[in-house]
Amino acid sequence: SQQGEEDPQALSIQEGENATMNCSYKTSINNLQWYRQNSGRGLVHLILIRSNEREKHSGRLRVTLDTSKKSSSLLITASRAADTASYFCATLLGTGAGSYQLTFGKGTKLSVIP
Amino acid sequence: KAGVTQTPRYLIKTRGQQVTLSCSPISGHRSVSWYQQTPGQGLQFLFEYFSETQRNKGNFPGRFSGRQFSNSRSEMNVSTLELGDSALYLCASSPATGLAADTQYFGPGTRLTVL
Repeated sequence: SQQGEEDPQALSIQEGENATMNCSYKTSINNLQWYRQNSGRGLVHLILIRSNEREKHSGRLRVTLDTSKKSSSLLITASRAADTASYFCATLLGTGAGSYQLTFGKGTKLSVIP
Repeated sequence: KAGVTQTPRYLIKTRGQQVTLSCSPISGHRSVSWYQQTPGQGLQFLFEYFSETQRNKGNFPGRFSGRQFSNSRSEMNVSTLELGDSALYLCASSPATGLAADTQYFGPGTRLTVL
């Protein structure tokens, strides 16, 4: 079952604009991670935010986490055509014995128009 | 460091056959996880191996199995293939220790088509 649900499912913006994607999840988590996937290829890790953090930045990326609302958002500023991809949030749950399991949402498909 | 590699990149099989996919993790990474990605179900966790032991398993039938070798390389096997097994199979490795313990690094995937 999907732990995270991204919103919107698809987003189309002009180059230079900001893109905001949201993720909601259901249970308590250790951390939440955002990944990017270009057209059916492997996933690229973008940023990780721990459950005791509220905001994190990495280059043009800004992630927020609200554990009380069980939600996170990913902001990409000054978007570029190369940002066109699917973006997934993934929640990390500890399953005991040091093992972790990533549960992904269905993703937001971002199109950046040059 | 070289990234996660997966072989083969593409496979075409017929129903009833079995298939073995291979994954070589990033050097030094001891945890390897497998995921199945389909348009309908999205990304779903299959299993995770650490030090040659399966530590965690997703909700997949017993036709899906895996193993990990002493060099951390991993294989997954799907027996008696069904049409619904057509998917992109992704492998991810993780250091499993230290600050980046739970960051997963994905390979390019193996695209399996079952006819």
